[in-house]
Amino acid sequence: QVQLVQSGAEVKKPGASVKVSCKVSGYTFTELSMHWVRQAPGKGIEWMGGFDPEDHETIYAQSFQGRVTMTEDTSADTAYMELSSLRSEDTAVYYCATAGYDHWGQGTLVTVTS
Amino acid sequence: SSELTQDPAVSVALGQTVRITCQGDSLRTYYASWFQQKPGQAPVLVIFGENKRPSGISDRFSGTTSGNTASLTITGAQAEDEADYYCNSRDSSGNHHVVFGGGTKLTVL
Repeated sequence: QVQLVQSGAEVKKPGASVKVSCKVSGYTFTELSMHWVRQAPGKGIEWMGGFDPEDHETIYAQSFQGRVTMTEDTSADTAYMELSSLRSEDTAVYYCATAGYDHWGQGTLVTVTS
Repeated sequence: SSELTQDPAVSVALGQTVRITCQGDSLRTYYASWFQQKPGQAPVLVIFGENKRPSGISDRFSGTTSGNTASLTITGAQAEDEADYYCNSRDSSGNHHVVFGGGTKLTVL
């Protein structure tokens, strides 16, 4: 059974960066493609980006280009999402999910406040 | 990029059938996936591909597509089906991006 376990809640100041982790168990990490989405309080789901196995590259939503970096540590079976230049509008729950969206992490609340 | 449009809210009487729709140009090319999200929980995949259900998902959930509209049908809605429902698909612009609908709040009366 695939499990995705994310890092804990974060509180950041405007302008700072946050790095959220997503540890995979129950499956061969290198056989998974990971995506990241976020959900602001009371709002819908917004796709941020993920690994595209067809082009063998990480792709990012236009709205996050230049601010987000998604990486993986295969030795630790862990994916990471780093978002920089945080602003209050980035306050949201951030989720990792497998590319088929059949497995999700539990979510990580990132609060951006001065 | 493309967009997926959903009705913000839909209601259904207990035991009745309800259809939740998702419209967008990308659905002419790609199947929609459907997700159920209850308060404080991560979304759960309920339908993917051509009307496929992940293991453990009730057969009360089914999906269809016609033209640019995908539909999620819940047959015999139960109280536990009250949730937000989201569709997603690949972006039709060919860049392999993903797009989500704005979500539909389902109320079971």
